Formats: sequence, C-alpha cells, structure tokens
Amino acid sequence: AAGVIQSPRHLIKEKRETATLKCYPIPRHDTVYWYQQGPGQDPQFLISFYEKMQSDKGSIPDRFSAQQFSDYHSELNMSSLELGDSALYFCASSKTSGSRLGQYFGPGTRLTVT
Amino acid sequence: QQPVQSPQAVILREGEDAVINCSSSKALYSVHWYRQKHGEAPVFLMILLKGGEQKGHEKISASFNEKKQQSSLYLTASQLSYSGTYFCGTEKYGGSQGNLIFGKGTKLSVKP
Repeated sequence: AAGVIQSPRHLIKEKRETATLKCYPIPRHDTVYWYQQGPGQDPQFLISFYEKMQSDKGSIPDRFSAQQFSDYHSELNMSSLELGDSALYFCASSKTSGSRLGQYFGPGTRLTVT
Repeated sequence: QQPVQSPQAVILREGEDAVINCSSSKALYSVHWYRQKHGEAPVFLMILLKGGEQKGHEKISASFNEKKQQSSLYLTASQLSYSGTYFCGTEKYGGSQGNLIFGKGTKLSVKP
C-alpha cells in the first residue's frame, strides 16, 4: 500500500538559511499535518491542511509557512533557520471526512542546523 | 492541554503483559495510539472514538472509558518487536480535523 512520502530525508543547513520540506500524502487522503519532534520529545503539531485549505495552526513559528497544492502535496518552508530548529519533521496524512481514521506518518525529514 | 501518560517507562521480559494509561482532565473527541521506534516515524496502532469502546489488534488492545477522559493500551504476551515508545494522541471537541496533542510517551523495553 502507498505510504506518505517525504523529501528530502536529511537536510543540513546553516543558521539564517532557508529550507523547504516536501510531503506527498497517501492517495485520497484529504488532510495533511506537519509535526516537529525534537530529540526525546513528543511530536508537536505545527499546521494542518484540509482539502488544500489551512485548517489549524499549532506551535508554528512565524518564520515557517506551509501550503498545500492542487495535487495535494504539501511544502513546509522554513526561513531564518535557528539552531533550535534542528529536529525531525514529520508529515502525516489522514482521511477525515466521513469516518475518522488514524494519521499515517511519513518517514520524516531530519533537519540539522549548524 | 497535553494528556498525561503513565508509566514513563517500563521494562518487560518476553511474554509479560503491560498496561499504558493516557488521561485528560476534559472529555476527548478521540484517542489515537502510536508506537515509535528510535529514529523512525510513529506507526498508527488504533483510534478510539466512543465512550466504553474497546478495540483489539492482535495482542495489542485498547479501551476508552465511558467519560472519554482516559484510555488504556494493553500489551499481552509481549514480543521483542513491541519495544519502542508509545504515544497517545488526543483530539479535543471543537478541534479542527483531527489535530492531535501527544502525551510525553511511554518507553517500553522488552528483553529476551
């Protein structure tokens, strides 16, 4: 079965640089979520999209933005990177219209800011 | 509001059972359970929506109490592959499209 695809899997950036993370949800899933997970931490919700519209924002810094495109893939744009942005970034997708299903996580992008 | 998970960590021998709890101060719309191995993505185990609901997944099952404020994950006859960190993710009433707040996780180690 198709899974959530994220790219790149690893990314190394310097402070103050920008980064773009991409996510391709499971086909026919209508909702995409972005999470940030620091070492030994629980995943923290950043932002979500339902049918290409932003549906909710969590603890996402103003330096970050995201969007979902017509083909349902999503991109997380991160600017003015800081050392504290180093983390695993997960994208998850779900089908939330009708019966509620679980969220299926992609393999994550490990971002290292030096 | 972040749900509270307990215990924080548990060590088992193969074949032993464990219970992981997840509680909230307010009634929840749903509870999701995930298992995450080090450096990997969280893997969805199950979702509970109804008060009093119980669900099973092979030797892993979960319950959601009538007031929808507590869920428990039951691991029976544990296997080495059960090792990992278990997270509950809770969805509040009035929240948007399944946005989850995760507990701090329970680290489960299964030894031979």
